[in-house]
Amino acid sequence: SQELEQSPQSLIVQEGKNLTINCTSSKTLYGLYWYKQKYGEGLIFLMMLQKGGEEKSHEKITAKLDEKKQQSSLHITASQPSHAGIYLCGADISGTYKYIFGTGTRLKVLA
Amino acid sequence: NAGVMQNPRHLVRRRGQEARLRCSPMKGHSHVYWYRQLPEEGLKFMVYLQKENIIDESGMPKERFSAEFPKEGPSILRIQQVVRGDSAAYFCASSLGLAGDLETQYFGPGTRLLVL
Repeated sequence: SQELEQSPQSLIVQEGKNLTINCTSSKTLYGLYWYKQKYGEGLIFLMMLQKGGEEKSHEKITAKLDEKKQQSSLHITASQPSHAGIYLCGADISGTYKYIFGTGTRLKVLA
Repeated sequence: NAGVMQNPRHLVRRRGQEARLRCSPMKGHSHVYWYRQLPEEGLKFMVYLQKENIIDESGMPKERFSAEFPKEGPSILRIQQVVRGDSAAYFCASSLGLAGDLETQYFGPGTRLLVL
């Protein structure tokens, strides 16, 4: 079973719509990282969350970590075609360096 | 201000050949990590290295795979006698290496290995 569950697995939205991607762990997270991956490319770092209840924003993307530090959500406001790609959550569950990753959410934004 | 660099970006090998994947960390970073992404699967940790030291190789297959990060030059992930199941995207990441802090790992573009 996957230690880090992402939902939904894929998402198609109309340009301008808001959307949310979730990442859930059965274990307490020391750190939660959101990355974006375009097909055939590497992972682009978006945000890191560490404290329970923490929320960060960058442009139209907001990420939150719940108080228990077991779930995070990534919210995109007024989506654009440039937001399309695979969103990956990665987590440090041991307080060290060994990240585990969800299987990703494939986002397509229709113009 | 170059990010993590990996080469080659694509590598084709026949079964039984050797594959060498290179990774140059971001400037100022002393910690390197290798991950593998199999088709339709998530990224899986393979190995964590510091200069001239393997810190954790718990994710590396026991045979045919090895990694190094020499004092000078890039980190190398070496796969001997490749098999079809080794076909995957191999990503390298680096971090600053600040003791006691939770660090962000920055990823390279990956090397896509295809074994024929």
